Amino acid sequence: AQSVAQPEDQVNVAEGNPLTVKCTYSVSGNPYLFWYVQYPNRGLQFLLKYITGDNLVKGSYGFEAEFNKSQTSFHLKKPSALVSDSALYFCAVRLHSGYSTLTFGKGTMLLVSP
Amino acid sequence: EPEVTQTPSHQVTQMGQEVILRCVPISNHLYFYWYRQILGQKVEFLVSFYNNEISEKSEIFDDQFSVERPDGSNFTLKIRSTKLEDSAMYFCASSEGQGLGGELFFGEGSRLTVL
Repeated sequence: AQSVAQPEDQVNVAEGNPLTVKCTYSVSGNPYLFWYVQYPNRGLQFLLKYITGDNLVKGSYGFEAEFNKSQTSFHLKKPSALVSDSALYFCAVRLHSGYSTLTFGKGTMLLVSP
Repeated sequence: EPEVTQTPSHQVTQMGQEVILRCVPISNHLYFYWYRQILGQKVEFLVSFYNNEISEKSEIFDDQFSVERPDGSNFTLKIRSTKLEDSAMYFCASSEGQGLGGELFFGEGSRLTVL
């Protein structure tokens, strides 16, 4: 079985400061890892993904994420937060091989204050 | 930019009534999904659909649920006899394929309220 843990319900950061939203995963093989963002009353928007190769993945809106196999983590980061980054962020995982569903974490609310 | 569209955006129904939620996936995508999100909770997988049949379904997707692709564009989720606990936001998604970690593209969601 595969699972994703997002240990923080909410992350608060001041605008201009760096932000990190944490994610750890558990799968019985090699993972594909994803970050999605959900703005209020909207659907889920794809931010970035890790397939293979470079552990640092760059995505939309200046976000990046670092895959750490030994720590089974895929933390989302941004060097300088914007108020408009305030949203609900979901980490998700699926297996490399065969067919598998995309499993989401419970989400982390990011609040960026002016 | 192509997008997944869902209708209705919000539906209110009485317990025991049938509900059909509709989705138009991105046109060249081959895999289709339904997820749901109960208010304040995580996004949960319901079912995936490929080549006109269900590929995988979760424990949530019991006999009250069904999916169909009645024509070349629509993908529907039917709940035969709604229960209070079916109240949630239902998201349709599609993906081009399974390879290269094919990301899912989600619609804006259909909010179902069961009274």
